Amino acid sequence: AQSVSQHNHHVILSEAASLELGCNYSYGGTVNLFWYVQYPGQHLQLLLKYFSGDPLVKGIKGFEAEFIKSKFSFNLRKPSVQWSDTAEYFCAVKGSNYQLIWGAGTKLIIKP
Amino acid sequence: SQTIHQWPATLVQPVGSPLSLECTVEGTSNPNLYWYRQAAGRGLQLLFYSVGIGQISSEVPQNLSASRPQDRQFILSSKKLLLSDSGFYLCAWEPGTKGGYTFGSGTRLTVV
Repeated sequence: AQSVSQHNHHVILSEAASLELGCNYSYGGTVNLFWYVQYPGQHLQLLLKYFSGDPLVKGIKGFEAEFIKSKFSFNLRKPSVQWSDTAEYFCAVKGSNYQLIWGAGTKLIIKP
Repeated sequence: SQTIHQWPATLVQPVGSPLSLECTVEGTSNPNLYWYRQAAGRGLQLLFYSVGIGQISSEVPQNLSASRPQDRQFILSSKKLLLSDSGFYLCAWEPGTKGGYTFGSGTRLTVV
């Protein structure tokens, strides 16, 4: 069965620190990969997505993610976080059917 | 442009009462439609999805049902609410099998 694992449930960083949120999935076939963000009091928004091509994907607000097929990973990165990046981040994977498989989410808190 | 509307934003219902949450999409045709429940610390749980009018797939057997009476309308219902139905319900759509989801703003349901 497909599954998605996000390594950290809570991450606390200071402003200007670098960020990397881990995401690993289990699925042997072709996958589409997504990162979503939910800011406090707001609904889920698509941050970035990977379907094919360059495995390094650029998203909104300076985020990027790298698809490493051999490691079944799609980690989210940002070189310098801001207080406004405080949010919950979800990794999701879509395999051969319609269903998106979601990670449990990582709560990111940025200390000003 | 495409927009998704979900209402109501909050709802407090007594145990045993019926439920109807509505979701509509504008600016597109034949979208894939989804109902999710989001639980703190457990990510998103897919409840139902629909690839066309009258076509509903259920992912989790429970006290809820879904219907798609029109192409861009998706309804989540229950005949008798349970306390365990409390949660945050999200509607989402996508244009096909690719593209990523766009989420509605969600409904916070509290069953008392």
